[in-house]
Amino acid sequence: SQQGEEDPQALSIQEGENATMNCSYKTSINNLQWYRQNSGRGLVHLILIRSNEREKHSGRLRVTLDTSKKSSSLLITASRAADTASYFCAAGGATNKLIFGTGTLLAVQP
Amino acid sequence: SAVISQKPSRDICQRGTSLTIQCQVDSQVTMMFWYRQQPGQSLTLIATANQGSEATYESGFVIDKFPISRPNLTFSTLTVSNLSPEDSSIYLCSANRGEGQPQHFGDGTRLSIL
Repeated sequence: SQQGEEDPQALSIQEGENATMNCSYKTSINNLQWYRQNSGRGLVHLILIRSNEREKHSGRLRVTLDTSKKSSSLLITASRAADTASYFCAAGGATNKLIFGTGTLLAVQP
Repeated sequence: SAVISQKPSRDICQRGTSLTIQCQVDSQVTMMFWYRQQPGQSLTLIATANQGSEATYESGFVIDKFPISRPNLTFSTLTVSNLSPEDSSIYLCSANRGEGQPQHFGDGTRLSIL
């Protein structure tokens, strides 16, 4: 399977703490995209990092990419209860198809 | 970002029947995709919906089971045929405006089979 892996599978933290999720992928990529999914709903696009970028920020989100290790991480700072969701990374190749990771279920306790 | 409307949002169907899911994008897009998300799992790409030609299917998915239409640059349908309990999943469409652009998703169709 080409599917990527994410760890941890589940993460429980207190409000105000930081959450870090890691993603490993198997294919060569043009970009790596991160998504949030709230309880079986559609996916919300969070951030896209290109293969020639090493770090990107958007609000409380920080994404890093290491193409030599085929890995990426998503950091959510100062987490809120509303951040509770599943988070997925997706590797984007030349054909624009996305290969998703297994996902991390984040629970932020108020 | 592209706004993607998908309908129905959910349905409950009898075994052996078919369901057609519609996906409408608010602007012209080059690429549209259909994904399946089985319960508690991640997303798996079913096919790429090409405008003006047949869809391109991923390994494990066939046209007879998942026929797709793409009549123009803003619309696509996915039909799930001859439904069985194993087809109970969330089906999502997505689109992006070109290579290297963010891929945006509809809210998904939650399908349950009786």
